[in-house]
Amino acid sequence: QQQVKQSPQSLIVQKGGISIINCAYENTAFDYFPWYQQFPGKGPALLIAIRPDVSEKKEGRFTISFNKSAKQFSLHIMDSQPGDSATYFCAANSNTGGFKTIFGAGTRLFVKA
Amino acid sequence: EADIYQTPRYLVIGTGKKITLECSQTMGHDKMYWYQQDPGMELHLIHYSYGVNSTEKGDLSSESTVSRIRTEHFPLTLESARPSHTSQYLCASSDGGRIQYFGAGTRLSVL
Repeated sequence: QQQVKQSPQSLIVQKGGISIINCAYENTAFDYFPWYQQFPGKGPALLIAIRPDVSEKKEGRFTISFNKSAKQFSLHIMDSQPGDSATYFCAANSNTGGFKTIFGAGTRLFVKA
Repeated sequence: EADIYQTPRYLVIGTGKKITLECSQTMGHDKMYWYQQDPGMELHLIHYSYGVNSTEKGDLSSESTVSRIRTEHFPLTLESARPSHTSQYLCASSDGGRIQYFGAGTRLSVL
């Protein structure tokens, strides 16, 4: 119940295309869903986050779509750029989760110029 | 910009040596974490702390140990390094537990 399942494992997108990464969870106690972006040689950094009381959150070219009934959420990267090439992790945590964040397995995104 | 620092960035060491990976943060965060990660792969929580003198083992069994004597400092120690310990080690901190701020990591190679 603590897992967050992320797909695909890797993704290749043409420059200007849309990148879509999907995640699913089981634990209904999760109430905060952040996405992290990690470049080679760096630690992950928060990209965007959503709470389950909204169905969508947009920040620039990055959008989170959230489906509470299906227990699924996804990251859309519009107009993907080579600089977006990185590993993306979805995650989930809760007030009752002991301050631990559960991370998905990660998606390696490569945007071809 | 998160202020969390890890040293060294890279470490190559022989089998059997004792090593300490340093992690410090200047944000006054109570919660700190250590993750093990093969490059670009899944993050595995190996230790965490909710405050001074509090340490817990994470989800992935690890032969390393940690201490939390000061809020800002959360070092990780391997008493006897082995090739199986070769990996990247990431330290993170958090105030409310919702958002984690990561250091740049230490890439460890044990020969």
